[in-house]
Amino acid sequence: NAGVTQTPKFQVLKTGQSMTLQCAQDMNHNSMYWYRQDPGMGLRLIYYSASEGTTDKGEVPNGYNVSRLNKREFSLRLESAAPSQTSVYFCASSEIDFLDSSYNSPLHFGNGTRLTVT
Amino acid sequence: GQQVMQIPQYQHVQEGEDFTTYCNSSTTLSNIQWYKQRPGGHPVFLIQLVKSGEVKKQKRLTFQFGEAKKNSSLHITATQTTDVGTYFCAHASTDSWGKLQFGAGTQVVVTP
Repeated sequence: NAGVTQTPKFQVLKTGQSMTLQCAQDMNHNSMYWYRQDPGMGLRLIYYSASEGTTDKGEVPNGYNVSRLNKREFSLRLESAAPSQTSVYFCASSEIDFLDSSYNSPLHFGNGTRLTVT
Repeated sequence: GQQVMQIPQYQHVQEGEDFTTYCNSSTTLSNIQWYKQRPGGHPVFLIQLVKSGEVKKQKRLTFQFGEAKKNSSLHITATQTTDVGTYFCAHASTDSWGKLQFGAGTQVVVTP
């Protein structure tokens, strides 16, 4: 069972270049997320998609765009990379229980993409 | 959105000792989740706490949700080298359904 698959695993970009990070999940989850992780700052939410066809901004959306291509796939695009976007990017998915507001389904994370922008 | 503070940021533990890491909020949380991330790995879900005063155990790990639902703790007994990693707490944002916000984490180093 693959779970959440991210590609690529590593990427080096020059300032101003663009790229798309790919994410796919095979757990039939409704919700998908993109986080970035920087030393000492934990995980910060970039964008998320509560269900197919919807996307919403997280804490740090500037400089990024997302596409929820279908239920399985959620991509993150950097249109013009900047050194401040050097980070580890994690995609995650979960199943939301809309009947129970006190419970949040666990997030299942991919292995991450280590991005360096020079 | 709501912020959670995790303390300490770093924890050096002698193998066999116990330690506790804390997750504190200034506002009431609907629930709290805990994750573990091994060095070079990705976060892995450990547990979720929902009820006031709830206590859950996983082998040597004990998780607690405060009575006022403003804080949570993770206590590890008889620390082993396999406990190395960063432990994160996460909570659901009240302004947007399903959106989890993470604390900065407690990085645990175990010395033999």
